[in-house]
Amino acid sequence: DAGVIQSPRHEVTEMGQEVTLRCKPISGHDYLFWYRQTMMRGLELLIYFNNNVPIDDSGMPEDRFSAKMPNASFSTLKIQPSEPRDSAVYFCASSLTSGSGNEQFFGPGTRLTVL
Amino acid sequence: RKEVEQDPGPFNVPEGATVAFNCTYSNSASQSFFWYRQDCRKEPKLLMSVYSSGNEDGRFTAQLNRASQYISLLIRDSKLSDSATYLCVVILQGGKLIFGQGTELSVKP
Repeated sequence: DAGVIQSPRHEVTEMGQEVTLRCKPISGHDYLFWYRQTMMRGLELLIYFNNNVPIDDSGMPEDRFSAKMPNASFSTLKIQPSEPRDSAVYFCASSLTSGSGNEQFFGPGTRLTVL
Repeated sequence: RKEVEQDPGPFNVPEGATVAFNCTYSNSASQSFFWYRQDCRKEPKLLMSVYSSGNEDGRFTAQLNRASQYISLLIRDSKLSDSATYLCVVILQGGKLIFGQGTELSVKP
């Protein structure tokens, strides 16, 4: 398996533009997670899905952020409009199940810079 | 208070040294605990789970003290390749993962 795939790997955009990040989880994994990592705040869970259904989106910073999972092999995280404070590395991760003893496999991340 | 707290370091140690990282968590209902490793500009990867009885994997030993809400990771005979950031991870009821800020380790020749 190729592991979790994310695209793009790098994104530079201007404030106010829409940004869409994409993720393909490992085949057969039921759970998909979106994280954001910054120097100041570390790694933060934004939202996670189970069987394509959003379970907990309490980490989504504000209405400018939205995430979808239309099928088991694809998810998007959208920021509209983007702001400079959204600059971070966004990771997608997947796992077979959630909770105790279940390893999360992370994608390589998307490094987002909003100018 | 942060839900999971770690000493950010950096820890600068010579090859062969023993180094210990500590982590405290605030939610007494936390269910599971892990250590992840993150290399510079890479994604986090699972290093090891942490069990109540303590567990060892080669040069790495993890300990959990539920009463004190404290987790530790001990690395013996450190190698240059151990240089990375070590993330303490706590799983809350309901399955939500909380990551600590990470402790940076730099092993020097």
